[in-house]
Amino acid sequence: DAGVIQSPRHEVTEMGQEVTLRCKPISGHDYLFWYRQTMMRGLELLIYFNNNVPIDDSGMPEDRFSAKMPNASFSTLKIQPSEPRDSAVYFCASSLPPGQPQHFGDGTRLSIL
Amino acid sequence: DQQVKQNSPSLSVQEGRISILNCDYTNSMFDYFLWYKKYPAEGPTFLISISSIKDKNEDGRFTVFLNKSAKHLSLHIVPSQPGDSAVYFCAASVGRDDKIIFGKGTRLHILP
Repeated sequence: DAGVIQSPRHEVTEMGQEVTLRCKPISGHDYLFWYRQTMMRGLELLIYFNNNVPIDDSGMPEDRFSAKMPNASFSTLKIQPSEPRDSAVYFCASSLPPGQPQHFGDGTRLSIL
Repeated sequence: DQQVKQNSPSLSVQEGRISILNCDYTNSMFDYFLWYKKYPAEGPTFLISISSIKDKNEDGRFTVFLNKSAKHLSLHIVPSQPGDSAVYFCAASVGRDDKIIFGKGTRLHILP
């Protein structure tokens, strides 16, 4: 079974550039989550979707961050403009009901110079 | 404001001994708790969970204990094996249908 697929695995870009992270959830999973992992804050939930609809975006740090889920098999997390403090590992996860164990992708390591 | 706290950033345990990872939570509404394990360059993977109606759940070498009055849970791994070296995240939610809040993680080193 294919798991959650994230791309790219690594992204290095300069401050001010637009960054787009991509995620393909497990087929049949109704919920999709975007997390950010940093040393200081651990694993933070940024936003999650149910049936392609954003349910809770209270974790999105600022307006520079946006997420979309145009269909059940694809989601993007966009940062525009990017800043050095956005450097982190970003994970996408999917699940049936959100309290059910979530299945994580291998993450995108983002470095903003 | 961390609702789920893992106060030990790291822990070293001899192979074959018991590993005990601790987690505290502040939100008394949490009633479903999970542990995830994470290897470097991989995403977290689900390990074991417990509902607040129980105080213990066991799965092979892994046992999770829940003390609701103390708002504390722990993960016991016995015997510890080299492959258990990883970062362990404690997580909690209000019911199974709400979002999961993660702790910062504890890095477990199993020493030969």
